[in-house]
Amino acid sequence: EVQLVESGGGLVQPGGSLRLSCAASGFTFSSYWMQWVRQAPGKGLMWVSRIKSDGGSISYADSVKGRFTISRDNAKNTLYLQMNSLRAEDTAIYYCARGEQWMSAWGQGTLVTVSS
Amino acid sequence: DIVMTQSPDSLAVSLGERATISCKSSQSVLYSPNNRNYLAWYQQKPGQPPKVLIYWASTRESGVPDRFSGSGSGTDFTLTISSLQAEDVAVYYCQQYYSTPFTFGPGTKVEIK
Repeated sequence: EVQLVESGGGLVQPGGSLRLSCAASGFTFSSYWMQWVRQAPGKGLMWVSRIKSDGGSISYADSVKGRFTISRDNAKNTLYLQMNSLRAEDTAIYYCARGEQWMSAWGQGTLVTVSS
Repeated sequence: DIVMTQSPDSLAVSLGERATISCKSSQSVLYSPNNRNYLAWYQQKPGQPPKVLIYWASTRESGVPDRFSGSGSGTDFTLTISSLQAEDVAVYYCQQYYSTPFTFGPGTKVEIK
């Protein structure tokens, strides 16, 4: 069974940092592109970032470029999102998802709250 | 960026009746060399992550009931639920994956009348 489990969310002050993790199991992680998508409370979905299976290709939404860094450790079957210079508007549930284009599997998400 | 719009914002349909959701993209998501539309549909139930229903605009994901179907090409797409069931109450999103940044529509909430 495909499983994606996010962790690392929490309450952080504006300007602070967090690192999210996504532990994958049930599939060959190293063969798949992975993505991060976020959803502000009561709002719609926003694509954040994408990384190729070998880490060789990375893309970001303009609103997070220069502040967020996506990475992966294929030996640990884990996807990461390093988030720096956090703003109130980054408050959201962050989902990791499998897939290069459409997202075929999603985790349950981890909540990031940016507030003083 | 490709802007996705959906209509209606919400709709209430009687059990067993048809529900139709429209999605439009600000530019074509049809890639001519392979004649594929780079569009997916997702269902999100309260308190749950989204789940893919349709990709390539009309290909149903494995395990998705055949009452869900997708159609359209270029800039205009439709998700149809042919006979609404109680478990279909959810918000439905379209997403283009033609180019990054990938973008989602604002969502359509489907309820039971």
